[in-house]
Amino acid sequence: SQKIEQNSEALNIQEGKTATLTCNYTNYSPAYLQWYRQDPGRGPVFLLLIRENEKEKRKERLKVTFDTTLKQSLFHITASQPADSATYLCALNRLTGGGNKLTFGTGTQLKVEL
Amino acid sequence: NAGVTQTPKFQVLKTGQSMTLQCAQDMNHNSMYWYRQDPGMGLRLIYYSASEGTTDKGEVPNGYNVSRLNKREFSLRLESAAPSQTSVYFCASSELQGSDTQYFGPGTRLTVL
Repeated sequence: SQKIEQNSEALNIQEGKTATLTCNYTNYSPAYLQWYRQDPGRGPVFLLLIRENEKEKRKERLKVTFDTTLKQSLFHITASQPADSATYLCALNRLTGGGNKLTFGTGTQLKVEL
Repeated sequence: NAGVTQTPKFQVLKTGQSMTLQCAQDMNHNSMYWYRQDPGMGLRLIYYSASEGTTDKGEVPNGYNVSRLNKREFSLRLESAAPSQTSVYFCASSELQGSDTQYFGPGTRLTVL
């Protein structure tokens, strides 16, 4: 069956370091992958989208890589700040009989400490 | 622009009661979605509407019905609430179905006793 895996354990890092979050998937051939941020008590907010023919995408302090051979995406936050503390979700599109839908991972909680 | 709005923010129901969760978006998006989010399960798609006038089942549709009232509004109805439907419900919208960024509402926290 199709599966998306994100590390369920919280990632604790010190301010200023680079945070790296992982998204692995099986039995998918996604055309693209998205990363969202979710703060407690709020809805997810879109951060970045990367397509299958792109190896890397950057936006300010954020960088996403997409390796379709390894079936893995890495999400990096450089020079991390306490304000980056949140849960980060990856989402893959999948083609089904009903059309093109997004499937979300369970998310990884990031805590950036002073 | 308010984006995606949801009402109510919180709701407590007794088993067997019914209710409708309301969602509206002001971004002129074609597609709208309803998800539920449970600890350890992530976001799961309940129903979606690719465009005005169409609705389709998602991953976990049992116990729910939806109505795409117009392009702006997409409601989710629980006909006979069960404790297993205790969850946080999110509505989302996108310009195209599944192929674009999804914009989420603030969520409705529902408890069924």
